[in-house]
Amino acid sequence: EPEVTQTPSHQVTQMGQEVILRCVPISNHLYFYWYRQILGQKVEFLVSFYNNEISEKSEIFDDQFSVERPDGSNFTLKIRSTKLEDSAMYFCATSRGSGTEAFFGQGTRLTVV
Amino acid sequence: DAKTTQPNSMESNEEEPVHLPCNHSTISGTDYIHWYRQLPSQGPEYVIHGLTSNVNNRMASLAIAEDRKSSTLILHRATLRDAAVYYCILKRGTDKLIFGTGTRLQVFP
Repeated sequence: EPEVTQTPSHQVTQMGQEVILRCVPISNHLYFYWYRQILGQKVEFLVSFYNNEISEKSEIFDDQFSVERPDGSNFTLKIRSTKLEDSAMYFCATSRGSGTEAFFGQGTRLTVV
Repeated sequence: DAKTTQPNSMESNEEEPVHLPCNHSTISGTDYIHWYRQLPSQGPEYVIHGLTSNVNNRMASLAIAEDRKSSTLILHRATLRDAAVYYCILKRGTDKLIFGTGTRLQVFP
């Protein structure tokens, strides 16, 4: 069964450093998303991406965050200057089309120290 | 975003059916009802979705009330692997998923 692959599985970074989280979508999927889940809290929507541009973003997704699909395969989330409160599980999700089910990756655990 | 209400937790024994309720009294005519689940230490996983009619797939069944103000996810024979947090989500004209706190299902052998 096709799956969404995220790397790394765990990243530890110092406060203020930049991090890039990577996701390989399912091959025929056109819609891409990032979500995050702070330990013990709800899964929160960050951003959706379609046709090489952001289609929707949440209030959490401020200027410190960016997404891109640089090589037509990987979908990345960059956090420019990490804060302690960015520590969370970050999930990439992809879907075939608008309104279809989303497939989630296993997540990247980001720890900011 | 339309709100859903689910019990915080439910319990079941293995191989018994489980009915997970969801109330969505402010649902609008174009809202789809989606169910996802999150197994421990994993990302969310799609279970099923519907609009008005009851739906069945290999994982579960979705029963939607006639007035659409509530729905029930039915696991026909619970297994230990079904222990997870189950989320009932309304989607309206957007692809984002707004997760609530869901129902934590415990399955006992």
